[in-house]
Amino acid sequence: SAVISQKPSRDICQRGTSLTIQCQVDSQVTMMFWYRQQPGQSLTLIATANQGSEATYESGFVIDKFPISRPNLTFSTLTVSNMSPEDSSIYLCSVEDRTGGNGYTFGSGTRLTVV
Amino acid sequence: RKEVEQDPGPFNVPEGATVAFNCTYSNSASQSFFWYRQDCRKEPKLLMSVYSSGNEDGRFTAQLNRASQYISLLIRDSKLSDSATYLCVVNNNAGNMLTFGGGTRLMVKP
Repeated sequence: SAVISQKPSRDICQRGTSLTIQCQVDSQVTMMFWYRQQPGQSLTLIATANQGSEATYESGFVIDKFPISRPNLTFSTLTVSNMSPEDSSIYLCSVEDRTGGNGYTFGSGTRLTVV
Repeated sequence: RKEVEQDPGPFNVPEGATVAFNCTYSNSASQSFFWYRQDCRKEPKLLMSVYSSGNEDGRFTAQLNRASQYISLLIRDSKLSDSATYLCVVNNNAGNMLTFGGGTRLMVKP
């Protein structure tokens, strides 16, 4: 299955600042997905990142708050902008696991705490 | 109503027990179904896909009932290492969007 390297694994940030999270995949993928998992909750899709076009955001998420880059077929970044304590969460990237034939593979997650 | 609903648990069972998790989904157009396992402070990992014919992988059996929009996971002979949160996941194939249930927490005790 695809292997995803996600960085950073965790960070503690001051409110009002921004954090950029990176995901590198070991194979070319058309779509990459960014999720948020708030404490004690399940995963919620933030946006879908396609190479060469703007990301598609889900209801409740906007580009100004969560800008996404997708410069090539193996890499994507998610920025959490102008952070507040409510943004404290785990952020995960994901790709469809075509080599594995089914399912989706997730990065190891970024645990963000905003103080 | 949530799109994918699960009993949050926790299910506390002794080693060797058989435990069953249920999940219902609201979108009748959903195409693909999965069970993921998430350990504490780790990312979700695919446990198994769920097919209409039902499928088994060792101690794990998954079943899908499209008419009732219901998915199940059965774990036989529970091990301590089975302790985790089990996520029911549905893909409606519209943009490959996954919808996650809230997860069911399982704790297997000696």
